[in-house]
Amino acid sequence: DTGVSQDPRHKITKRGQNVTFRCDPISEHNRLYWYRQTLGQGPEFLTYFQNEAQLEKSRLLSDRFSAERPKGSFSTLEIQRTEQGDSAMYLCASSPVAGRRYEQYFGPGTRLTVT
Amino acid sequence: GQQLNQSPQSMFIQEGEDVSMNCTSSSIFNTWLWYKQDPGEGPVLLIALYKAGELTSNGRLTAQFGITRKDSFLNISASIPSDVGIYFCAGQRGGAQKLVFGQGTRLTINP
Repeated sequence: DTGVSQDPRHKITKRGQNVTFRCDPISEHNRLYWYRQTLGQGPEFLTYFQNEAQLEKSRLLSDRFSAERPKGSFSTLEIQRTEQGDSAMYLCASSPVAGRRYEQYFGPGTRLTVT
Repeated sequence: GQQLNQSPQSMFIQEGEDVSMNCTSSSIFNTWLWYKQDPGEGPVLLIALYKAGELTSNGRLTAQFGITRKDSFLNISASIPSDVGIYFCAGQRGGAQKLVFGQGTRLTINP
């Protein structure tokens, strides 16, 4: 049974650099979500895809952030010109379209540290 | 920003005690979920609730969907050391697909 996987688990980068994270959802799940979590807070929604279509973006997703899911399978989240405020855990989740579609299953996250 | 208020923010209990925590909102939610998160890991889904008044169990965990649809409760019976972690409530509103999370309840157990 393969759950949601994320790569890398940890990333340290210097301010101004670009970073890209990858998420592989549960294989039969059509929906894929990105959240961001800072210390002491719950996850906050960034964006979600149904298959390859990006259907909603949060205002938290500034123009430095871009997410793709080109073939409706894995997704990437890129942050350009990173800032120290981007330091957080980036979580990916997936869910089925039908049935229990609000049950989102999370990956282990990518911890980003911007120095 | 967060729309769900979790209480208490932290709990320090003895092993074997029962635990109760809750989550409230000023808005109506259609679905409530409870997650547990260990340090450095992603949240793990514990229980999902779909109807007002619904009471659902998962082992020693029991959760309820409040009648007003503005709150939810989680109980853990006979706590054990592996129950340590942060518990998050999450809700889904209207036609939105995203989840809104509370700020978490940190559970610490003294052996």
